[in-house]
Amino acid sequence: SQQGEEDPQALSIQEGENATMNCSYKTSINNLQWYRQNSGRGLVHLILIRSNEREKHSGRLRVTLDTSKKSSSLLITASRAADTASYFCATDQAGNQFYFGTGTSLTVIP
Amino acid sequence: EPEVTQTPSHQVTQMGQEVILRCVPISNHLYFYWYRQILGQKVEFLVSFYNNEISEKSEIFDDQFSVERPDGSNFTLKIRSTKLEDSAMYFCASSGVGGSYNEQFFGPGTRLTVL
Repeated sequence: SQQGEEDPQALSIQEGENATMNCSYKTSINNLQWYRQNSGRGLVHLILIRSNEREKHSGRLRVTLDTSKKSSSLLITASRAADTASYFCATDQAGNQFYFGTGTSLTVIP
Repeated sequence: EPEVTQTPSHQVTQMGQEVILRCVPISNHLYFYWYRQILGQKVEFLVSFYNNEISEKSEIFDDQFSVERPDGSNFTLKIRSTKLEDSAMYFCASSGVGGSYNEQFFGPGTRLTVL
């Protein structure tokens, strides 16, 4: 399977703390994307990092990519209650397929 | 801001019936996708569509499934004879030039319940 796998499966933190989620995958990729999903809702794109990039920032989000380890991390700094959601990484493969991981369920306690 | 829309938001059907899920991708996008998410599970790729034909499909996308772009705006997923295990959220997505090299924009989903 080429699907990404996130860890931890669940993470609970206090508001203001940082949250780190990790994603591992199995094959070479062109890019890796992180998405957020609020309960019962659609997927919101957060950030895309290409295989030739090592780090990317967007607001309070920081994503790293280590292609030698086939892993990525998503860091959310200064978390807020509104960040409570499930976070998924998605990897592409040759062609136009995306594989989503199992997700990390983040709970930010006010 | 342009967005992907899906209708209906919730569809209830009897086992064995045909359903058509509809999506309106972002207007200048060229690549279209369907995904499904069974309750509590991961998002699974079904099919990608480009230039009026399927470019990739997963093992899930068997002969019971078909996709169509009947006009310049809609993108549909048809399930010919629904089974109980087809109950899931179905998400449509689209992306611009470059396909999977670029961000996919997802619709809000259609919840399909098969009784």
